[in-house]
Amino acid sequence: SAVISQKPSRDICQRGTSLTIQCQVDSQVTMMFWYRQQPGQSLTLIATANQGSEATYESGFVIDKFPISRPNLTFSTLTVSNMSPEDSSIYLCSVDVVRSTDTQYFGPGTRLTVL
Amino acid sequence: QKEVEQNSGPLSVPEGAIASLNCTYSDRGSQSFFWYRQYSGKSPELIMFIYSNGDKEDGRFTAQLNKASQYVSLLIRDSQPSDSATYLCAVLISGGYNKLIFGAGTRLAVHP
Repeated sequence: SAVISQKPSRDICQRGTSLTIQCQVDSQVTMMFWYRQQPGQSLTLIATANQGSEATYESGFVIDKFPISRPNLTFSTLTVSNMSPEDSSIYLCSVDVVRSTDTQYFGPGTRLTVL
Repeated sequence: QKEVEQNSGPLSVPEGAIASLNCTYSDRGSQSFFWYRQYSGKSPELIMFIYSNGDKEDGRFTAQLNKASQYVSLLIRDSQPSDSATYLCAVLISGGYNKLIFGAGTRLAVHP
């Protein structure tokens, strides 16, 4: 597996502001993923971030709302822009450590509350 | 729309019993299947993955896969109260996209 950290672990933000979430891995990985888990719900993939290319967004998620950076093989950021209370969720990054098994491991998550 | 279906539960079993968690999926081309455990307030933790039809055992956990029926299950033997969590079934979508689709999860409660 891998050691994955996220910052911040939680935050309370005001409507209309933006928050950038960081994800750091202790080893180089090709693929990093960003998920959202709304209260009482399962995980929904926001986008896939490969180093050296633009992120690939899933249906219902757009770059203007969730810009992603992937500057190197151990780090990525997700920004939640112009936030509304509906963005209150847990945001999780995951990594595909062993490419041959397509197995994803998750970071601890960022709990976001928007007032 | 690719889907993964799970019974939301709660599934309540006595300590020491076998807990059986089930999952069906719609993408007939899927080849990789995963079970994650998620404690309340925590992130998902990988328990097992399975690729081939049949059973795969790891300690008290057994994953079972039937691709013809598009069905995957997780058995937990000698269930312990510490197994009480939500269990998420995830399916890797075919086509090389490395995209996992998650079920809604089954909440398991193991009572002493």
